[in-house]
Amino acid sequence: QVHLVESGGRVVQPGRSLRLSCAASGFSFSRYGMHWVRQAPGKGLEWVAVITLDGSEQYYGESVKGRFTISRDNAKNTLYLQMNSLRREDTAMYYCVKDLGITGDYWGQGTLVTVSS
Amino acid sequence: QSALTQPASVSGSLGQSITISCTGITSNIGNYNLVSWFQQHPGKAPKLVIYEVTKRPSGVSNRFSASKSGTTASLTISGLQAEDEADYYCCSYAGSSKVVLGGGTKVTVL
Repeated sequence: QVHLVESGGRVVQPGRSLRLSCAASGFSFSRYGMHWVRQAPGKGLEWVAVITLDGSEQYYGESVKGRFTISRDNAKNTLYLQMNSLRREDTAMYYCVKDLGITGDYWGQGTLVTVSS
Repeated sequence: QSALTQPASVSGSLGQSITISCTGITSNIGNYNLVSWFQQHPGKAPKLVIYEVTKRPSGVSNRFSASKSGTTASLTISGLQAEDEADYYCCSYAGSSKVVLGGGTKVTVL
């Protein structure tokens, strides 16, 4: 059974950094691209970033480019999102998603990031 | 502003059919048969209901169907039921591992 479990979300001050993790199990993690998608309170889904199956390529949404870094450790079956220079508008539930470009068949339950002073 | 355009809301009576449109451009929906649809109930993570334009994952009701024409994809829910009331999002592959998402459509069952 596939499981994606996000962690690391908390209240953080503007300008600070935070790293999110997503622990994957139940599938061959190293065979799939992985994505982060976020959802601000009461708003729609926003694509954040993708990393290819071997970690060689990463792409970002315009609103986070230059501030966020997606990475993965295939030996640990874990996806990461390093978030720097956080802004109030980064407040959202952050989901990790398996293979969103092809199916998006599994989503985690999300981890909440609140940027507030 | 979302890359894919969906109506903000669609409503229908119990038992009726509704269709949600998702309009993109050539470089996303137009070029790839990789459109997915997700259902999201309040406080829950999105759930896949359609992938590769028309395919239903195991366990998803056959009341959900979808299609694509040119740069527009559509999701149809037939025999509308109370539990179908949710937000629905479309998603398309956009090349180079990237994706684009729709702004979401709130479905109300009258």
